[in-house]
Amino acid sequence: GQNIDQPTEMTATEGAIVQINCTYQTSGFNGLFWYQQHAGEAPTFLSYNVLDGLEEKGRFSSFLSRSKGYSYLLLKELQMKDSASYLCAVRDMPGGATNKLIFGTGTLLAVQP
Amino acid sequence: EAEVAQSPRYKITEKSQAVAFWCDPISGHATLYWYRQILGQGPELLVQFQDESVVDDSQLPKDRFSAERLKGVDSTLKIQPAELGDSAMYLCASSRQGQNVRSGNTIYFGEGSWLTVV
Repeated sequence: GQNIDQPTEMTATEGAIVQINCTYQTSGFNGLFWYQQHAGEAPTFLSYNVLDGLEEKGRFSSFLSRSKGYSYLLLKELQMKDSASYLCAVRDMPGGATNKLIFGTGTLLAVQP
Repeated sequence: EAEVAQSPRYKITEKSQAVAFWCDPISGHATLYWYRQILGQGPELLVQFQDESVVDDSQLPKDRFSAERLKGVDSTLKIQPAELGDSAMYLCASSRQGQNVRSGNTIYFGEGSWLTVV
């Protein structure tokens, strides 16, 4: 089967660091994406990992371990505007299909003053 | 910056009525997706097009949903008849064709169309 797990909710303090974990079990694997989604808006692309290791982009970093089926999104120097839902998505390639993204349910992050 | 365009932004319809959503992908993006997102959940793929051809519609409720992309550019998603359980945000997204390991062929989303069935 296909399954993507991430915590439902997290709370963190402004200026702090938070790590959002994601574990996955899919038929195939061709990359993992993190999206940010503010309430009532469309998801916006944050990061992409296809090889093991850490990808850094400003205040955001994403890590992937393919052998463990595990990824995390690290947010540094948290700001109030970072309060949003963070979606982990895996590109699955069953039977030759391409570019199909399977999403987790999202982690709702609340940043407090 | 190029965007995926969707309309209408909001739609309220009575159950058993027909409703349609329109999407214009980013220019040059051969792959177009329709996702449905129920409140509190992640997006779920309904249908994926490569140019004008459907490559995945396994999760599309074909008894009431239909989608087309006749010229391989813009697309329409139709629901007829609408049911109360169809209330959700319908997201259109697009990406470039082919495999690009470095960029991952990132999927870009439109602002979504909120549907409320009453």
